[in-house]
Amino acid sequence: GAVVSQHPSRVICKSGTSVKIECRSLDFQATTMFWYRQFPKQSLMLMATSNEGSKATYEQGVEKDKFLINHASLTLSTLTVTSAHPEDSSFYICSAIRTGSPEQYFGPGTRLTVT
Amino acid sequence: DAKTTQPTSMDCAEGRAANLPCNHSTISGNEYVYWYRQIHSQGPQYIIHGLKNNETNEMASLIITEDRKSSTLILPHATLRDTAVYYCIVRVAQLGAQKLVFGQGTRLTINP
Repeated sequence: GAVVSQHPSRVICKSGTSVKIECRSLDFQATTMFWYRQFPKQSLMLMATSNEGSKATYEQGVEKDKFLINHASLTLSTLTVTSAHPEDSSFYICSAIRTGSPEQYFGPGTRLTVT
Repeated sequence: DAKTTQPTSMDCAEGRAANLPCNHSTISGNEYVYWYRQIHSQGPQYIIHGLKNNETNEMASLIITEDRKSSTLILPHATLRDTAVYYCIVRVAQLGAQKLVFGQGTRLTINP
């Protein structure tokens, strides 16, 4: 149990366009989801905390108008990278906390390439 | 959350035990030690966690010193598939939104 999926697994988009990444908890309800970004050979950096039914909490230095997060249901959070630039190319990973548990379960990641 | 210190990289021969150390000298009494690993281009995978007692599961063993200022993750019979970056994280384990702060981790390479 406790499976988290992400879609798409890979995406290539042109500079200036927007791209949406989905994070789903497949077999549990998640009131809280997290979004991380990971550049090559670096560790995971937390971008934001997504709470179902409320606004996301962004980490310092992360532009909330550029990285739009929506957590409209207990099983789905989306991250939209708006007006993407090549420097937004990265590996984006989500995680979810099962309701009633402190444990986090990670998705497989989405590799974004902006050309 | 308390800061952790891990070696940047380690090598281990296939079939041998891999012992990965972690220092967390500023750990608080209510903070747990968690271990995750990340295989290349995948999301992190939970391995094990503990408070003060040694823990064992099907993946690994966790040895925490009596003063809780350091711990060791043990992979008893390492295989090539255990090659990954291993992250030691300390955090309070309670209900609610507890974010994980990842350090640089240890890049473990299992050699044939």
